[in-house]
This record gives sequence, structure tokens and C-alpha cells, in this order.
Amino acid sequence: DQQVKQNSPSLSVQEGRISILNCDYTNSMFDYFLWYKKYPAEGPTFLISISSIKDKNEDGRFTVFLNKSAKHLSLHIVPSQPGDSAVYFCAAINAGKSTFGDGTTLTVKP
Amino acid sequence: KAGVTQTPRYLIKTRGQQVTLSCSPISGHRSVSWYQQTPGQGLQFLFEYFSETQRNKGNFPGRFSGRQFSNSRSEMNVSTLELGDSALYLCASRLPGGDTQYFGPGTRLTVL
Repeated sequence: DQQVKQNSPSLSVQEGRISILNCDYTNSMFDYFLWYKKYPAEGPTFLISISSIKDKNEDGRFTVFLNKSAKHLSLHIVPSQPGDSAVYFCAAINAGKSTFGDGTTLTVKP
Repeated sequence: KAGVTQTPRYLIKTRGQQVTLSCSPISGHRSVSWYQQTPGQGLQFLFEYFSETQRNKGNFPGRFSGRQFSNSRSEMNVSTLELGDSALYLCASRLPGGDTQYFGPGTRLTVL
């Protein structure tokens, strides 16, 4: 039973446009959510997070939205830049344990 | 502060052999987790250690084991290697009570 799902394996957007990456979860006990970004040959790096008591968190070009009733999380990148091309993982936390999605490969075309 | 380091970065083994991977967490981080990443499978949680004790364990066979030392460094061992064990093995550390994980660059294991 996969508790965290990223249903889109890949996403391609034009530079300057918005990128929207989605994540769904099934466990209502998750109380903290994070997005990580991964470049080839490197480990994932933390990007942005949100607590379950909030519905939005913004950091520069990155905004994470949380819809608890729908058990849905999304990451918006505006404007998208070629350097944003990477694999993005969402992660959900319950009792200190992180569960990751399978990742979405974002390609931003110049 | 130095980041999470993992050694070796690349490893080639044959079926049936065993392998030991090493991870040094960020100074002050006492929690170390291990993940397996394979194409299309995302990050699969192996186990987490805190203060030399295994705190959480994922759904992997007993061939996968780990340990943590008093200086928080951790090792992961895989015995009787199978072709399907070929993957990127990532180690991550975090502060006590922290939720953000800091990942190392990974060890790329290839089993022939």
C-alpha cells in the first residue's frame, strides 16, 4: 500500500511558465510534508515544507499548498527556470518517519 | 559544516557477495536513515538509527542490515547480493526532533 503517490512521473514546461507538481497521500496521521529536489549523481536536497495546520507556505518562487480534506499536496514553481530541471520528491511525516513518493521528473525548456 | 558523506561512491559486486556501505552524518545529527532508490520506485525506506538503536525499519528482507556507532556514523550491510539490489543507496541524517533530512550523495551499487 503506497501511502504517498506522485501520479505524474514526468512534467515538461516552458521557461517562465508555472510548474505544478502534485502529490496525494492516504494516511491522515501525516502531520508534516516536505518537497525535495534531486539532481543526477547527487542526494535529494530540501526545498520547502508545510505543517498540517497550514494550507500554504511560500518561499521565493516556490509555494506549497496543502488540501487536507482531499489529502493532496502541490508544489508551484513560478516562474520556472531551466535550472529547476530535476526530480522532485514529496515526503510525508508521521511520528518522525518519512514516507516518500516515487518522484516527478521536471524538465524546463528554454 | 560538512555535509553527509557516503563511501564508497560507486561499487560493483557479483551475485552472492556481500557489501558494506558507510555513512557519516552531519556533526550533531544523531539520527541516520537509509533509503534505496531504483528507477521508478522512488525512495524506499530501509531503516533508521538513533543513538545506536534501530528505531524504524522498512519492508526489506533480513539480508539488509545496519548499525550505528557511538559517533553516529552508520553502516549498512547487504548479504547474498541479488541482481535486484542494484540501486542508489542514500543515507540521510537529521537533528533530534527535526523533520528535514539531509542526504548524502549516495552509493551507486551495481550487482553483476
